[in-house]
Amino acid sequence: DIVMTQSPDSLAVSLGERATINCKSSQSVFYSSTNKNYLAWYQQKPGQPPKLLLYWASTRESGVPDRFSGSGSGTDFTLTISGLQAEDVAIYYCQQYYGTPWTFGQGTKVEVK
Amino acid sequence: QVQLVESGGGVVQPGRSLRLSCAASGFTFRNYAMHWVRQAPGKGLEWVAVIWSDGTTKDYADSVKGRFTISRDNSEDTLYLQMDSLRAEDTAVYYCARDGYCGGGSCYVGYWGQGTLVTVSS
Repeated sequence: DIVMTQSPDSLAVSLGERATINCKSSQSVFYSSTNKNYLAWYQQKPGQPPKLLLYWASTRESGVPDRFSGSGSGTDFTLTISGLQAEDVAIYYCQQYYGTPWTFGQGTKVEVK
Repeated sequence: QVQLVESGGGVVQPGRSLRLSCAASGFTFRNYAMHWVRQAPGKGLEWVAVIWSDGTTKDYADSVKGRFTISRDNSEDTLYLQMDSLRAEDTAVYYCARDGYCGGGSCYVGYWGQGTLVTVSS
């Protein structure tokens, strides 16, 4: 199984500042035949289901604010929130869909400092 | 718009069975792979099972393999999860989820239901 490890487990950022979350996979999730990284990011607020933010590591889902961006390739990925807003307080998960079993990172809790 | 509505959760004793349902609407159900993903109280997300669009190919997490069965009825736009030999560690919110727009092959989870809580306790 591909193990997904996020860091940090939690972080507190001042409003308007940048939040950076890292995600590392135990093996590459880049598929050369499609030239894509099979990596997604989700946001989950308390009492709600997860919401898709980014897929193919860096493609923003429709309606997601452009302050959310993704980068990385192979085994190392980053989710950046440029200019944290109060409504961004949530837990963020990375997920690989390179192969079954689909696996998620343990989650990173983002709070306002 | 895409809607996924789970039902069938509740409290069940260890060793017993439960069947979850997910009613889908707002899209052509038969064209998409569907998943079950669960979340234990206060914990992270765990993928449980996937069934491809035609219903013939399925896969499971090792933690549920041999105990859970995913199925679908493309004529009724409904996804199911039959859960047998339930254990305390199966206690979780179970989410029904749909693939995104990938045009086939392995895909991210594009849409999630609100979830249904399953509690396994004596």
